[in-house]
Amino acid sequence: AQSVSQHNHHVILSEAASLELGCNYSYGGTVNLFWYVQYPGQHLQLLLKYFSGDPLVKGIKGFEAEFIKSKFSFNLRKPSVQWSDTAEYFCAVGGGSQGNLIFGKGTKLSVKP
Amino acid sequence: DTEVTQTPKHLVMGMTNKKSLKCEQHMGHRAMYWYKQKAKKPPELMFVYSYEKLSINESVPSRFSPECPNSSLLNLHLHALQPEDSALYLCASSQTSGRGYEQYFGPGTRLTVT
Repeated sequence: AQSVSQHNHHVILSEAASLELGCNYSYGGTVNLFWYVQYPGQHLQLLLKYFSGDPLVKGIKGFEAEFIKSKFSFNLRKPSVQWSDTAEYFCAVGGGSQGNLIFGKGTKLSVKP
Repeated sequence: DTEVTQTPKHLVMGMTNKKSLKCEQHMGHRAMYWYKQKAKKPPELMFVYSYEKLSINESVPSRFSPECPNSSLLNLHLHALQPEDSALYLCASSQTSGRGYEQYFGPGTRLTVT
């Protein structure tokens, strides 16, 4: 069965600090990997996705993620966070034939101004 | 236009009421999804429609009844809900179902069952 683990429940950073959020998945076949963000009071938005090719994926708002197949990981990174990055971040894997997504439990990021 | 719209934004209903949630997209997507999200939890898949046919029902109780009248519209009919069904109900769509297609999410309907 597919599963997604996000190791950090709540991360608190100061502005300009670097960010790395961990995500590990469990799935035996070809996977598609996603990071979604949910800003307070807003809907889920896609940050970036990995389907195939270059394992270093760049997304919106300066975020990037690296797919490491040997580690079953897809960690999210940003070199310098801003207060506006305060949000809940969800890693998701899509591997089923119907495209259903399995979400991790989410990581709440709080950025102090 | 990459928008998925959902109505209403908020809904309060009693346990004996019948209500419906509506979701619409005009991106030409042929797969649509219902998710349930409880507070501080990730979204959990409820139903998948592919080409207007129900393809996945994740063992959802029959008090939730999905309907896909056409490729742009997805409804979720609610009847005899329980207080524990209170949650944010999210609709999403993708170009088709299957691997390789990102899902676009609507803002959700926040449902409170009293």
